[in-house]
Amino acid sequence: DQQVKQNSPSLSVQEGRISILNCDYTNSMFDYFLWYKKYPAEGPTFLISISSIKDKNEDGRFTVFLNKSAKHLSLHIVPSQPGDSAVYFCAATGYGNKLVFGAGTILRVKS
Amino acid sequence: KAGVTQTPRYLIKTRGQQVTLSCSPISGHRSVSWYQQTPGQGLQFLFEYFSETQRNKGNFPGRFSGRQFSNSRSEMNVSTLELGDSALYLCASSSDAGSTDTQYFGPGTRLTVL
Repeated sequence: DQQVKQNSPSLSVQEGRISILNCDYTNSMFDYFLWYKKYPAEGPTFLISISSIKDKNEDGRFTVFLNKSAKHLSLHIVPSQPGDSAVYFCAATGYGNKLVFGAGTILRVKS
Repeated sequence: KAGVTQTPRYLIKTRGQQVTLSCSPISGHRSVSWYQQTPGQGLQFLFEYFSETQRNKGNFPGRFSGRQFSNSRSEMNVSTLELGDSALYLCASSSDAGSTDTQYFGPGTRLTVL
């Protein structure tokens, strides 16, 4: 039972363009959502988060949008840079400290 | 401030053996969570410890267990290893057990079961 889904296993984007990574969830108890970035041989690094009371959160080149009615969130990276190439995980939580992760999306930014 | 450290980084075991992985959280962090990452499955939550008590548990068999010490360091044990236990095991720490508290991950222990 995948409560958090990232339906695109990979995404390829040209440097300077926008990268949009999508995530869907099924559990209406989730009230806090996070994006993590992971490079090979390293642990995931926290990127940005959003509470369910908001619909947008911005941090530099990264913006996360939340559509609660659709149970959908997305991460926008503008402009995309080659160093952004990594695996991006969407995660959600609503109780305790248990994060439920999606399967991840591999982002490749071509220069 | 030092990050989350995990030892060992790599481990090779054979079926039937048992293994213990160690995690040292960021100084001052009291919550430690463990995750298993396998290709195509993302990160699966194993369990979370806070102040030496297990607070949450994922859907893994009883062969997977853990504990936390008074200094917040945590260990994870897997007994009677199976081939399917081959994975990257990640530990994450946060300052308390609040759901909005950011978890910081260590580099992981890559376990290979032959």
